[in-house]
Amino acid sequence: QSVLTQPPSVSAAPGQKVTISCSGSSSNIGNHFVSWYQQLPGTAPKLLIYDNDNRPSGIPDRFSGSKSGTSATLGIAGLQPGDEADYYCGAWDTSLNFFVFGTGAKVTVL
Amino acid sequence: EVHLLESGGGLVPPGGSLRLSCGASGFIFSSNAMAWVRQAPGKGLEWVSGLRGAGDYTTYADSVRGRFTISRDNSRNTLYLQMNSLRADDTAIYYCASYSYTTGYLDGWGQGTLVTVSS
Repeated sequence: QSVLTQPPSVSAAPGQKVTISCSGSSSNIGNHFVSWYQQLPGTAPKLLIYDNDNRPSGIPDRFSGSKSGTSATLGIAGLQPGDEADYYCGAWDTSLNFFVFGTGAKVTVL
Repeated sequence: EVHLLESGGGLVPPGGSLRLSCGASGFIFSSNAMAWVRQAPGKGLEWVSGLRGAGDYTTYADSVRGRFTISRDNSRNTLYLQMNSLRADDTAIYYCASYSYTTGYLDGWGQGTLVTVSS
């Protein structure tokens, strides 16, 4: 039951930048921090961005996050073949009283 | 470094039960909220259940409330998920994750265990 909406797919050539949007509501993104997760093929998800725009140690600064109102955006600069993965946004939802994920966006490097 | 290892998955008939376990190391388990997240084949991520460090507060997705029970044994650094009345749409990889309760994010993930509900 994904309540956060993401584009199904985005693509770009190596070295280019892509952005992935995540649209929610006041019960989730509008009043809570957003996090982003990268899931490489056949592996478990990994935290990429937390608290809207912070990167855990070891995550390159090519990855960035931002939030405005009830939407958030993940940016991937200098796209590399190894960035091909599914990317999910997430946030707590006050109305549902549990954490909700986005629908997921597949990044393809052309 | 957070290390989480799930176990207990397998094939179970509809209506059956299964208990998943998640062993934790590399962090102070009793101080951390924990969660179960699942992913059906070819689908996205879905929060299943969460539990605070002291075990005093739990949350459940609507799809599992009343059928699944999350618990923990802080003396064994282990998280559990008791799953009853299993249905075909519960078929998924179940991930254990550590959850930062203050601002809300999942900062450590296990490799997952597959649960298949089928006759």
